[in-house]
Amino acid sequence: DAGVTQSPTHLIKTRGQHVTLRCSPISGHKSVSWYQQVLGQGPQFIFQYYEKEERGRGNFPDRFSARQFPNYSSELNVNALLLGDSALYLCASSLTEQYTEAFFGQGTRLTVV
Amino acid sequence: DAKTTQPTSMDCAEGRAANLPCNHSTISGNEYVYWYRQIHSQGPQYIIHGLKNNETNEMASLIITEDRKSSTLILPHATLRDTAVYYCIVSDLYGGSQGNLIFGKGTKLSVKP
Repeated sequence: DAGVTQSPTHLIKTRGQHVTLRCSPISGHKSVSWYQQVLGQGPQFIFQYYEKEERGRGNFPDRFSARQFPNYSSELNVNALLLGDSALYLCASSLTEQYTEAFFGQGTRLTVV
Repeated sequence: DAKTTQPTSMDCAEGRAANLPCNHSTISGNEYVYWYRQIHSQGPQYIIHGLKNNETNEMASLIITEDRKSSTLILPHATLRDTAVYYCIVSDLYGGSQGNLIFGKGTKLSVKP
């Protein structure tokens, strides 16, 4: 079975640009969460979606948005990129909205120059 | 902020048991203790979780003190591939009011030959 897949794996963007990151959860999983991990820190929560509805939002500016599609895949969008947005963006999926066992993807490494 | 305290780093000899401590003195009655690990450049990997009883699976054992204010993750026979950052997380099943897991900085475990 395929695990959580994220695309792209790496990308480089310029300040002020917009970026879309994609996540496909494990088949049958209905919950997707997004995390940002800057170098040397633990992952920091951005959003959780369950059954296509936003269930939680972390302390991130409105430049960050996300959505979940009917097939439970998800997109994370970041507008007006700043240098500080450079990080590893992680997607986690779980069967339900419970965190009994969340599965993380390999992440998308975003570099803003 | 994370509700747990972990040592910054630990070393362990290959083949020996690795015992990773975690303090969570403010844990609530409905909160579980979760352990994840993150091998370099990969997404976090779920290890184990528990409420108050000791738990064991194919990867590790989790020992929770009777007052639930601390716990220990035990890797019975550490290998070089167990070198990673280990995160101890306290949360209810639904990730708290915001629906997320709060990662601290974790413990960097180095398994040495």
